[in-house]
Amino acid sequence: DAMVIQNPRYQVTQFGKPVTLSCSQTLNHNVMYWYQQKSSQAPKLLFHYYDKDFNNEADTPDNFQSRRPNTSFCFLDIRSPGLGDAAMYLCATSGAQETQYFGPGTRLLVL
Amino acid sequence: QQQVKQSPQSLIVQKGGISIINCAYENTAFDYFPWYQQFPGKGPALLIAIRPDVSEKKEGRFTISFNKSAKQFSLHIMDSQPGDSATYFCAARGNTDKLIFGTGTRLQVFP
Repeated sequence: DAMVIQNPRYQVTQFGKPVTLSCSQTLNHNVMYWYQQKSSQAPKLLFHYYDKDFNNEADTPDNFQSRRPNTSFCFLDIRSPGLGDAAMYLCATSGAQETQYFGPGTRLLVL
Repeated sequence: QQQVKQSPQSLIVQKGGISIINCAYENTAFDYFPWYQQFPGKGPALLIAIRPDVSEKKEGRFTISFNKSAKQFSLHIMDSQPGDSATYFCAARGNTDKLIFGTGTRLQVFP
């Protein structure tokens, strides 16, 4: 019944060791988003895809990359995680100009 | 002009009371205003949403009041319950696929 699925739910990585977070959706939505959320803060948009068109936010660090191989899947790659990248990473989807639906998030811990 | 201002930052309400959270915006191009509820360690979940052509929308104990001329909207939770204890985010969307989030309100409902 899950609509937006994120794996893993918890990820522990070492400082500087690349990590990939994944998101899949069963809603067939054409827009997919990646957000970073730190404690007691609102979600911060990193980038989004409209179909295969990639839209990067101006203040998203180069350390963050994304791939969307097909409609259902989207990946967030953190090339060299720093301690400041420890956060909850949220994936969301929407139809064009429609409501955004969020996944349960992946909690990233950087040691 | 892209900001959404949310208040209060935190709110403590007794069981059975009314919880009220307020948001204000500047951008008149915004045309969709959702509220999200987020429990600790979970992704935000859409609670209720409104478009500016109506002044009020009610779903169960949750009501959005919308004042287009004042560029303000608010969430009212009637008969607040301990299970409503969560962080609430207002948001706004204009002619893009991106949401602009408020800063969040942490609601605690005590028995």
